[in-house]
Amino acid sequence: DSGVTQTPKHLITATGQRVTLRCSPRSGDLSVYWYQQSLDQGLQFLIQYYNGEERAKGNILERFSAQQFPDLHSELNLSSLELGDSALYFCASSVMDSKTRNTIYFGEGSWLTVV
Amino acid sequence: TQLLEQSPQFLSIQEGENLTVYCNSSSVFSSLQWYRQEPGEGPVLLVTVVTGGEVKKLKRLTFQFGDARKDSSLHITAAQTGDTGLYLCAGALPDSGTYKYIFGTGTRLKVLA
Repeated sequence: DSGVTQTPKHLITATGQRVTLRCSPRSGDLSVYWYQQSLDQGLQFLIQYYNGEERAKGNILERFSAQQFPDLHSELNLSSLELGDSALYFCASSVMDSKTRNTIYFGEGSWLTVV
Repeated sequence: TQLLEQSPQFLSIQEGENLTVYCNSSSVFSSLQWYRQEPGEGPVLLVTVVTGGEVKKLKRLTFQFGDARKDSSLHITAAQTGDTGLYLCAGALPDSGTYKYIFGTGTRLKVLA
């Protein structure tokens, strides 16, 4: 158990709909990262938050948005869903200011299927 | 653009054989992580290496960080069917007070009984 919690684990929704994925980072971790992984593909970085502020953006579509709340949990909002958005969405967290390890820990993922 | 090239992409071996997976980059990393991922699950951290030249052993797995902190290898001795999975390396780069993580494309390992 990495300590990173993601909900829901599975989600099936129709095209055009909107969903929210939730992530609780490990206790004490201030930095949250979101990744997308399509079938048999590598991890695509979407966005990073640190202590409530956006820190870095990757290949995140304009239809997608995220935020990190004062209690450090984060949400990834996916709207106007298309079939191609079907993927595993991972949240990861890290103690950003660590000078020795710089390790990120992944949650178990949210499997989104758009039909 | 920072890249982390991982090789081989696919590897199918018999139980009991040895194998090595490589991650190479032109970037110098603050640290490098190795993960193992099973289908439908999140990547599970195997090890973090921090110091150039560092070697870490985890049972039958040996991880090495290159002297220049640009590359790393994972060696598995006497592979078992339970080693089957996707192996990912990720390098941490300092970026404006935080870190960004560059992931390799992964090595899909299948160990046959």
